[in-house]
Amino acid sequence: RKEVEQDPGPFNVPEGATVAFNCTYSNSASQSFFWYRQDCRKEPKLLMSVYSSGNEDGRFTAQLNRASQYISLLIRDSKLSDSATYLCVRGPFGNEKLTFGTGTRLTIIP
Amino acid sequence: EAQVTQNPRYLITVTGKKLTVTCSQNMNHEYMSWYRQDPGLGLRQIYYSMNVEVTDKGDVPEGYKVSRKEKRNFPLILESPSPNQTSLYFCASSLGLAGGRETQYFGPGTRLLVL
Repeated sequence: RKEVEQDPGPFNVPEGATVAFNCTYSNSASQSFFWYRQDCRKEPKLLMSVYSSGNEDGRFTAQLNRASQYISLLIRDSKLSDSATYLCVRGPFGNEKLTFGTGTRLTIIP
Repeated sequence: EAQVTQNPRYLITVTGKKLTVTCSQNMNHEYMSWYRQDPGLGLRQIYYSMNVEVTDKGDVPEGYKVSRKEKRNFPLILESPSPNQTSLYFCASSLGLAGGRETQYFGPGTRLLVL
């Protein structure tokens, strides 16, 4: 099983809709997680951090379910500018490195 | 402006011709790392450095070398590039990794094509 696994998509969602996608992780001892956003041919940028049960920032909500070992990202009232690839990242544990998922591609349709 | 810079941004080379991709950050970050990104494989760490003169292998270090002689610079060296090193490369830095709560700042990426 991959350390961090994401549905690659693509998710094609109409503008204004709510969209959610999950990321599963294999190491139950992992403590910190992140969602990064990556626009086409650009560098990843931090969207949200998830340390405890969850985090909310405007239209974005990230939740952590330790029992089932997944984190989720919910985007409400989606905008065209939300179109991007969303990378799930497990924070360092023991060996001082981050582990990236392969990303979920999201396209918001007008 | 706080940033991570990489050069060159685009590079086409031939098999076996040594090359260096530079990475520099102006945020006084201790932690720096190199990733490569390939379709379907996501970002994979090549090497990382916790501080000056401290480097360690990531997931895919074969065929690469790094050095950290100064805090701000972390060059990636390909001594003898091969076509399977064709990829998009990102340098990243963060203040540290204490508790895993530090934001990673990525450079703009270097697209490398090895013929």
